Amino acid sequence: ETGVTQSPTHLIKTRGQQVTLRCSSQSGHNTVSWYQQALGQGPQFIFQYYREEENGRGNFPPRFSGLQFPNYSSELNVNALELDDSALYLCASSLDWGNTEAFFGQGTRLTVV
Amino acid sequence: GQQLNQSPQSMFIQEGEDVSMNCTSSSIFNTWLWYKQEPGEGPVLLIALYKAGELTSNGRLTAQFGITRKDSFLNISASIPSDVGIYFCAGHREGNKLVFGAGTILRVKS
Repeated sequence: ETGVTQSPTHLIKTRGQQVTLRCSSQSGHNTVSWYQQALGQGPQFIFQYYREEENGRGNFPPRFSGLQFPNYSSELNVNALELDDSALYLCASSLDWGNTEAFFGQGTRLTVV
Repeated sequence: GQQLNQSPQSMFIQEGEDVSMNCTSSSIFNTWLWYKQEPGEGPVLLIALYKAGELTSNGRLTAQFGITRKDSFLNISASIPSDVGIYFCAGHREGNKLVFGAGTILRVKS
């Protein structure tokens, strides 16, 4: 139990739709990162938020966006969904920006049809 | 795409056997992390390594940070059925971005 919770656990969307995924960080952690994990692969870094500001981004298009709130919870938004966006989306929280130990939630399984 | 080469891709071993898996990169990393992921769950942090040459244990698990900073290995001694899962290595270089390997699938015969 990492204390990182994500919602919803499963979601089915239609191509072209928009989706919002939510993450509640572990207590005391001010840094949150989002990862996309395709079937049979390791997680791929999407972006990170530190104290409500985006603080690093991976190789994902602008239709992937995020927010971090004053209580350090976070959202991942994906617009104009494509079939290839089907994946497990993982949120990870870290104690601080300089701390590399990331603790993951259970993920949200997104299926785009 | 993935920048870490993780091997083997999968292992099917007898309960009680020792397991060894490794991760290599063409680039230097400052930190190596090992995670385990079970079906329907997120990755769980097993061991974190911060210095080249560092050898760290967590119960039956032992991991080492390679001297060149381009590799790491994870050993599991006396495997048990609950060791089943996918083991990922992850390297950290700049910012807080973690780069993951493709994983090693471990199956244990009891």
